[in-house]
Amino acid sequence: EAGVVQSPRYKIIEKKQPVAFWCNPISGHNTLYWYLQNLGQGPELLIRYENEEAVDDSQLPKDRFSAERLKGVDSTLKIQPAELGDSAVYLCASSLGGGETQYFGPGTRLLVL
Amino acid sequence: GNSVTQMEGPVTLSEEAFLTINCTYTATGYPSLFWYVQYPGEGLQLLLKATKADDKGSNKGFEATYRKETTSFHLEKGSVQVSDSAVYFCALSDTSGTYKYIFGTGTRLKVLA
Repeated sequence: EAGVVQSPRYKIIEKKQPVAFWCNPISGHNTLYWYLQNLGQGPELLIRYENEEAVDDSQLPKDRFSAERLKGVDSTLKIQPAELGDSAVYLCASSLGGGETQYFGPGTRLLVL
Repeated sequence: GNSVTQMEGPVTLSEEAFLTINCTYTATGYPSLFWYVQYPGEGLQLLLKATKADDKGSNKGFEATYRKETTSFHLEKGSVQVSDSAVYFCALSDTSGTYKYIFGTGTRLKVLA
């Protein structure tokens, strides 16, 4: 069974530029999560989707971050404009449903210069 | 609120040594508990989990027991290998209905040949 797929794996951009990350969850997983992992820290939830609905986006900085999961499968997380402090690893995870075990993708490592 | 505290690393051991990584938690209700492992440049891989008190999770020689009385979930392995070198994260499932995972800060393990 294929795991959670993320792309790109690495991204280097200049500040104020836009950037987007893509996630394809495990087939059949209705719940999708985006986490932010700063260096030396554990991941922290940004947003959770149940199918195509964002049911918890309380930790998403909505002035510059946006996310979508249009058909309830793939998801895109966008930052516009990026700031230096956004340099981190962005992890996508999925689970069969809310409360089920979460499986993580390899992450996208973002460096903002 | 819910939280996880892990012992600080790095932990450096010789091959075949006994490993213990301490993890304690604070939570209302009855969270599930997890250990994830992160190898360099990769995402989080589920190592083991326990869903209720006194459960023991085990995988690849690692094990951890859900101790409600001491609010702990310490990770142990009887004989570590060089290939076990990674960062280990303890996590719990939030009990407030968000389904997010709350992670510790991670413990880096380095095993020397």
